[in-house]
Amino acid sequence: AQSVTQLGSHVSVSEGALVLLRCNYSSSVPPYLFWYVQYPNQGLQLLLKYTSAATLVKGINGFEAEFKKSETSFHLTKPSAHMSDAAEYFCAVIFQGGKLIFGQGTELSVKP
Amino acid sequence: NAGVTQTPKFRILKIGQSMTLQCTQDMNHNYMYWYRQDPGMGLKLIYYSVGAGITDKGEVPNGYNVSRSTTEDFPLRLELAAPSQTSVYFCASRSGHPNTGELFFGEGSRLTVL
Repeated sequence: AQSVTQLGSHVSVSEGALVLLRCNYSSSVPPYLFWYVQYPNQGLQLLLKYTSAATLVKGINGFEAEFKKSETSFHLTKPSAHMSDAAEYFCAVIFQGGKLIFGQGTELSVKP
Repeated sequence: NAGVTQTPKFRILKIGQSMTLQCTQDMNHNYMYWYRQDPGMGLKLIYYSVGAGITDKGEVPNGYNVSRSTTEDFPLRLELAAPSQTSVYFCASRSGHPNTGELFFGEGSRLTVL
């Protein structure tokens, strides 16, 4: 079955610490992958996308993600968290046939 | 350029009533999607379409129906509303070009079933 799994529904880090949000997908064919961010009471905003070019993808606000085919993963990282990064983050995958599925989301909290 | 337009933005239904959420896009996108978002559950795919005349079930299709008679429009029909369908619904569309794929979202429709 096609699925997207985000490990950890809540992640808390201190300001300045590394942010790591995990995303795994189920597919034997490399799909297209995305990370979106949703701030409170707002819509979803695209952070970055992987479309079969470079495996390390840089996005907005200092975020990046690495596509690892062997691990079927697309984890999101940021070297140094900022208070303004507090939000909910969603991994999304386009599977064959055009089905686009989101993970359940990870809420990131940043402590001062 | 309006993008993706959803109506209505808010609606209260009684159990057993029916309604249609309208979605239209003016970007000539082939792919269109309906999602529902519930707290802590992320966005769940209800139905999607890869082009006019073609629709397919997503993760949570029960209780819903869709049609895609034109490229622009992708309405979502709730036939017999149930409290479990209380949610925020998002329509989205995207280009089929592999190097884009970014979703364009409507503003959402908040539905309450009492």
